[in-house]
Amino acid sequence: GQNIDQPTEMTATEGAIVQINCTYQTSGFNGLFWYQQHAGEAPTFLSYNVLDGLEEKGRFSSFLSRSKGYSYLLLKELQMKDSASYLCAALDSNYQLIWGAGTKLIIKP
Amino acid sequence: GAVVSQHPSWVICKSGTSVKIECRSLDFQATTMFWYRQFPKQSLMLMATSNEGSKATYEQGVEKDKFLINHASLTLSTLTVTSAHPEDSSFYICSAPGQGEPYEQYFGPGTRLTVT
Repeated sequence: GQNIDQPTEMTATEGAIVQINCTYQTSGFNGLFWYQQHAGEAPTFLSYNVLDGLEEKGRFSSFLSRSKGYSYLLLKELQMKDSASYLCAALDSNYQLIWGAGTKLIIKP
Repeated sequence: GAVVSQHPSWVICKSGTSVKIECRSLDFQATTMFWYRQFPKQSLMLMATSNEGSKATYEQGVEKDKFLINHASLTLSTLTVTSAHPEDSSFYICSAPGQGEPYEQYFGPGTRLTVT
């Protein structure tokens, strides 16, 4: 079956760095997404990786290893507004998104 | 970037009534749209895939007769929750896929449904 695993909750300190891991098992693979979702709002796109390696975009970076079925989202210089849920989603061979359950990130002052 | 709108953004209805939620792609055409439901503190759950000009594809466990989907045009999909019950109270979100890489999903702002 298809499956996405990510931690349920993480806590970090303002100004610090946090890494949110995601492992996936899908029927075929056409890329991996990270979305941010604040409570009561729709998800917003953060990143897309389809090739191995690190993609950096400001304070956020995303890494992919296709051979390991593994990705991580790295958030630097954490701000209080980064408190949100972070959703990992893989695109399978049918271009259907398989969603993880999300990681709730709590930022403490 | 592509914009998807939803209407209404929130709705309160009485048990037994029906509620229609609209999802529109504002500046692009979408032959496919996705409907999700999200309960508090849980992740997105795909309910169905809406296809313009054909029947929607429902995920396992989602009642087709209760959640009616109509993809009327290349820019509009509607979800009607029929005979709503309090357990249908949830956050309903639609999305439309972008064309070509990165195949990003463009999400609507969501509709908060409360059934009393």
